[in-house]
Amino acid sequence: EIVLTQSPGTLSLSPGERATLSCRASQSVSSSYLAWYQQKPGQAPRLLIYGASSRATGIPDRFSGSGSGTDFTLTISRLEPEDFAVYYCQQYGSSPTFGQGTKVEIK
Amino acid sequence: EVQLVQSGAEVKKPGESLKISCKGSGYSFTSYWIGWVRQMPGKGLEWMGIIYPGDSDTRYSPSFQGQVTISADKSISTAYLQWSSLKASDTAMYYCARSETPGIAAAFDYWGQGTLVTVSS
Repeated sequence: EIVLTQSPGTLSLSPGERATLSCRASQSVSSSYLAWYQQKPGQAPRLLIYGASSRATGIPDRFSGSGSGTDFTLTISRLEPEDFAVYYCQQYGSSPTFGQGTKVEIK
Repeated sequence: EVQLVQSGAEVKKPGESLKISCKGSGYSFTSYWIGWVRQMPGKGLEWMGIIYPGDSDTRYSPSFQGQVTISADKSISTAYLQWSSLKASDTAMYYCARSETPGIAAAFDYWGQGTLVTVSS
């Protein structure tokens, strides 16, 4: 099973700042089958990025994904008030798994 | 509009059985995988398994194999997650979600609203 480790656990930032979230896999993720989701309290997760770098439908361009192999990054270029949430990465290439999440909180 | 509508919250006792549902609409239900994801209180997401309603091909996470059963009835566009004997540790929110492509290796682009299962004596 591929273990995904997200860092940091919590990111404290102000609106307008840049957020950089990391997701590291215990082994290579095939064909960049890596997704990022956003979850707000009391809501279902929302797909942001799939295929490591493709934005899902309706996702603003301030969200971007990069990486390959075992190291992946989600970048939010300028945080908006609605972006404060928990973010999960997921690999779906082989026996899919999720990372433990990174909470982006208001500083 | 693609929608996944899940059945309502359940309160059960340990040892009881349970089947929760997820009804898809607004797309070809038989052409996309449907997955189930567990979220225990205050915790992260766990991938449980997926089913292809077109032929009922089903895959499970090793962590959930033998613990739950995933099924689907394509005639009514509904997927199911069931337990034969619930434990207190099954208390969680359960989400169904649709694969973003017809292929098995796909992220989940549409999600149900979640079904809260509480198991307590």
